[in-house]
Parts: sequence; C-alpha cells; structure tokens
Amino acid sequence: AQSVTQPDIHITVSEGASLELRCNYSYGATPYLFWYVQSPGQGLQLLLKYFSGDTLVQGIKGFEAEFKRSQSSFNLRKPSVHWSDAAEYFCAVALMDSSYKLIFGSGTRLLVRP
Amino acid sequence: DTEVTQTPKHLVMGMTNKKSLKCEQHMGHRAMYWYKQKAKKPPELMFVYSYEKLSINESVPSRFSPECPNSSLLNLHLHALQPEDSALYLCASSQDRRRRTYGYTFGSGTRLTVV
Repeated sequence: AQSVTQPDIHITVSEGASLELRCNYSYGATPYLFWYVQSPGQGLQLLLKYFSGDTLVQGIKGFEAEFKRSQSSFNLRKPSVHWSDAAEYFCAVALMDSSYKLIFGSGTRLLVRP
Repeated sequence: DTEVTQTPKHLVMGMTNKKSLKCEQHMGHRAMYWYKQKAKKPPELMFVYSYEKLSINESVPSRFSPECPNSSLLNLHLHALQPEDSALYLCASSQDRRRRTYGYTFGSGTRLTVV
C-alpha cells in the first residue's frame, strides 16, 4: 500500500541554523511528491513539488528538497531558518492512478528557538 | 485568480442543525476535494469530484453530503452531526495530471464546532 512516513514528530532548531525534515514514501511507480506548510488554524500552502527531471527542487521561502529514488526519500531543507518558519510541515504523495488521491505523512512540527 | 475560497471560516452548529460549507475556485481545475483535519493530525480525504462527478467517497457517514453544482463550486452539506465531527474542513482543487503544472491548491478551511 502507498504510504508516506515523516519520522520526526517535532524538531527544534535555533534561528539561523540549517534545517532538514525527513520524508520517506512507499509507492510502486515514480511518485508526484509535495511539501506543504500549515500555520496554526490555517490551510496548507505548497512549498514545492517534484514530478520528474532534476532531483533537486527549489521552492518558495528559501526551501529546497531532494528526491532520492534509491532511498525512497524526499527530504526538505533550508540553509537558515527564520522564526516565521515555525509551523507544521507535511510531506505528501499523489497517486498516479485514476483516483487523484493525495496521501499525507503525519507531519513534523517545527519549533524555532530565538 | 490562484486561490481556493472557503466560506464560512468558522461555523458552530448544533447536532440537529443543517448547514453547508462552500468552496469556490476559478483556476479551471477539474478535480475538487474535501478533506477533514483533526487537531495535530494530517488531512484525511473525504470526497473527490472529477469533472463534476463524484469519483471517491472514503466511506464517509451519510450525514456529510457533497455536491458539485459546476466546475467552480463544491459544497458540503451537513446534517445531524456529532461532536466528534468538529474539525477543520479543507477544500482543495487540482488540474489534470497530464499538465506540467499539476498540483493541489488548498483553501484556508472552515473551522467547524458541533455542540
């Protein structure tokens, strides 16, 4: 069955430090992969997406992610975290069948120390 | 217009009430979705509409009734809800997967409280 795993429930980093959020997926074919961010009580904002081609994807707000097929991973990175980055981050995979389903990981809550 | 608009933003309803959530997009997307999100959990898919036809119902109780009147509008009719149905209800839309710009756009949600 298709699944998305985000192994870290919480991550705390200091402002200005680098960040990496982990995401592993289980899917038979090449997936469409997404990272979304959600501030408390808000909807989901798309940070970046991967379909094919260059495995290093640039997104908004200075985020990037790297697709590694051999590791079934799509980790999110940012070189220098800002206090405003504190939020919940969701990795998701879109199923390439007729269902149009988007499957979410359980999320990682990012806390930023001043 | 690159947004999905949901109304109302907040809704409090009693267990005997009937209410509706509304979702609108003008991006030409032909797939629309309802998700339910409980606190500290990821969104869970409820319904998928593809070209205005219901294509997926994830075994959602009949007290939730979706409707897609046209390609820009998606409604969720609520009746006889339970307190455990209190959650953030998110609407999303997406283009056909064959397009390179394929992606899902989410609304800001309706915070529903059932009392």
